[in-house]
This record gives sequence, structure tokens and C-alpha cells, in this order.
Amino acid sequence: DAGVTQSPTHLIKTRGQQVTLRCSPKSGHDTVSWYQQALGQGPQFIFQYYEEEERQRGNFPDRFSGHQFPNYSSELNVNALLLGDSALYLCASGIEPAGAYEQYFGPGTRLTVT
Amino acid sequence: GENVEQHPSTLSVQEGDSAVIKCTYSDSASNYFPWYKQELGKRPQLIIDIRSNVGEKKDQRIAVTLNKTAKHFSLHITETQPEDSAVYFCAASSSSNDYKLSFGAGTTVTVRA
Repeated sequence: DAGVTQSPTHLIKTRGQQVTLRCSPKSGHDTVSWYQQALGQGPQFIFQYYEEEERQRGNFPDRFSGHQFPNYSSELNVNALLLGDSALYLCASGIEPAGAYEQYFGPGTRLTVT
Repeated sequence: GENVEQHPSTLSVQEGDSAVIKCTYSDSASNYFPWYKQELGKRPQLIIDIRSNVGEKKDQRIAVTLNKTAKHFSLHITETQPEDSAVYFCAASSSSNDYKLSFGAGTTVTVRA
């Protein structure tokens, strides 16, 4: 059973460029959440997708957008990259509904903005 | 929104000793509290979780306790081993906000052989 997968593993972009990161959820999971983890910090919630719609959003600007496809996979897009966007981007998948909601993380995409 | 504070930021223990990490949360609506272990360069791994209707949960050498009145929860690792060395994150979430996770800042645990 494949776990959560993400691509690419690493990415180097220049300030002002745009980037697209991809995530495939764990088999049987239908919800995908994206998190940004700066070096030495805990993950920060960006947004969550369920049934192809964004249903929760953290304190991130509109430069961060996403999409969920009918097969539950998801993309994170970041426009007009800033140096401060350099971080590990994690996606987590889970299943809805649940009395609690276990989320499993992918390996992440390390984004470096120069 | 939810604010999770985690202490200590670093913890060094002798192999075989116990380690305790404490977290507090602000949102009384939070009802799910997972703990993640993240080794260097790897993904956060869910190691144990607790729901608001339970006060304590144990899984082999790991246990978590929850005090909803005081809004704090703790991770206890007994008989620590070198492979327990990692960064540990607590998190809190609520069914009312679709279980988006709010993380603590992390605790770097080092187990000395």
C-alpha cells in the first residue's frame, strides 16, 4: 500500500518565478492538506482540500493556491516567489469523516528560492 | 485561532531514562491531539494520538496524557533508546475546523548512549 507521495523532491527557483508541487494521497484517503515547514520550526497549515474544493485556509497570501483532482491528488501553486518561501512543503492525507482525523505526511518537497 | 506551545525546545536524556514533553493549547474546542516524530531530513511520522474523551493512552514505551480542564497534554517516552533521538511535534485540531493541525515548535530529543 503506497503511502503519501510528493514530487519533486527538491526544487530551486528564482525570486519572482512560479512553482507547482504535487501530492498523491495514501490509498483510500480523500482529503489533502498542505503545510509549510521552515527550518527549525513546526509545520504551518496552508490549506486543505476535500471533494476538489478548498475548505480550510491558514494565514497565507493569495500567492498560494491549490487544486484537488477527481483522483484526490493535489497541487500546490506558489506565484511571485519570495526568498521567504524557501521551506519544506509537506502534504498530508487523511480520510473523512472520522471521530478523530489521522493525517499522514508525505516526504515533502524542499523548495529553495534564490 | 489555535495556539500550541511546546516545552522544552531541547531535551537530552541518558539511554534508559524517561523523556517528557509538554504542550498547552488555547482553543477549548480542540478535540484531537496527535504527536509526530521527525528524523532529520524525513517526513513527520504519527507516533501516537489522543482524543478529547480519553485521559491517557499508551503504546509500548510511549504514552500520552491529556488534561482538558488545564488544556495541556504530554508525551512520555520510557526506557529511551538511541533511535528515539529526533524532533517531536505536538499538534492540536478540532472537528469544527476540519481537523487542520496547529503544531508546536518542536522538541529536539537527544538520547545519550
